[in-house]
Order: sequence, then structure tokens, then C-alpha cells
Amino acid sequence: AQKVTQAQTEISVVEKEDVTLDCVYETRDTTYYLFWYKQPPSGELVFLIRRNSFDEQNEISGRYSWNFQKSTSSFNFTITASQVVDSAVYFCALSETNTGNQFYFGTGTSLTVIP
Amino acid sequence: KAGVTQTPRYLIKTRGQQVTLSCSPISGHRSVSWYQQTPGQGLQFLFEYFSETQRNKGNFPGRFSGRQFSNSRSEMNVSTLELGDSALYLCASSFTSGSTDTQYFGPGTRLTVL
Repeated sequence: AQKVTQAQTEISVVEKEDVTLDCVYETRDTTYYLFWYKQPPSGELVFLIRRNSFDEQNEISGRYSWNFQKSTSSFNFTITASQVVDSAVYFCALSETNTGNQFYFGTGTSLTVIP
Repeated sequence: KAGVTQTPRYLIKTRGQQVTLSCSPISGHRSVSWYQQTPGQGLQFLFEYFSETQRNKGNFPGRFSGRQFSNSRSEMNVSTLELGDSALYLCASSFTSGSTDTQYFGPGTRLTVL
């Protein structure tokens, strides 16, 4: 069963629009971590944020914000006032207590910001 | 601090050959994990090494193996290459082994099997 689902395969927005990337996860662990990574065309996965299962506070970092809701098993990511440099593939990932550093990745959302 | 480095960045091999990829973690990091990324299967976990011991292994055949050295550098080896092994192989390092730690990824090695 897919542990992390990113239903949006591709999204296109015009520069300066806001965009939200959805992530739904599935786990039986009570302690787990959720991550977002950005993969630009160069291929390297760039770490954006980590949340643990006990911290449901939303977070804002510049133009980025994250909405974590355990009740719906969702960890959504919003980019405000998008820019062309935000164009990349974004991955949501889950790690569970019992599997160490094994990440379960979603299939990714390809974001294109049109100038 | 230097990031995770992977060598080589690109490789072209033919079916049946074997290949070795190298990963140098961030200084001070002792855990190295490997992932395979393909368009069809996405990002899949291969294995993790911590203090020279394999801690966890994904669902890949025995042709995929790895090791870690005392300086935390890691290598992964794929023997008897198949066309389906063409992929981007990503290495990630973290300070410890455990879900509490953030993993930082290298630029990857793109392997093409002809």
C-alpha cells in the first residue's frame, strides 16, 4: 500500500500566484516524521522542512508554509507568490520509528511556474 | 560544510556488466542511505549503512549490495546489470540512524544501461 500519496502529478501556475501541493500519508506508528524535498532539474533533492507527529503547529518560512493535520493525515505545502525559480518536482516523504532512515516517498508533484 | 558528494555523476554500462558507485557523506555524518529513482517506480529505498553495518534494506534483488568504510564513505555495487537498472541513484547522509534525523541528499549518479 502506498504510504505517501501526492495526487497532483503536475501543476502549472502563473508567476506570483499561490499554489498548494497536497500530501496524504498512511502509518500505524504514533511517532513519525514528515518531510518535504525539492528536486530541481539538476537532480539533487533539497531538504525543505521536517515535522514530527507530535507537532501540529503550522509553519511559515518566507514564501513557504506547511499545514500539518493529523486528523486527515495530511501535510500540505503552500508557496505564496510563486516565482520561476520554484519550478521543480516536490516530494513529500514519511519516516517511521521502526524503519530508521528509510524514507517512503510520494510520487512527486511537478510544479511549473510560468513567467 | 561540504555537502554529500557522489561519484561518478554519469555512467554508461552494458547489460551484464557490474558497476560501483561512491558516496561521501557530510563531515560528521555516520549514516548513509541509498535510493533508486526511476520514472516508473519513483524513489525507492535500497539500503542504509550506519557505523559500517547495514541497518535496513529495501526490496531489491541481491545484485544490489553496498558497504560502508570506517570514514563513513559508502559504495554500492550492482552486478549483472539489466536494462531496468537504468536510473538516478541518490545517496543521503544523516548524523544518526533513526527517523529523528534529517537526511541530506547528494546530486546523484545517473546510470544508463545499454
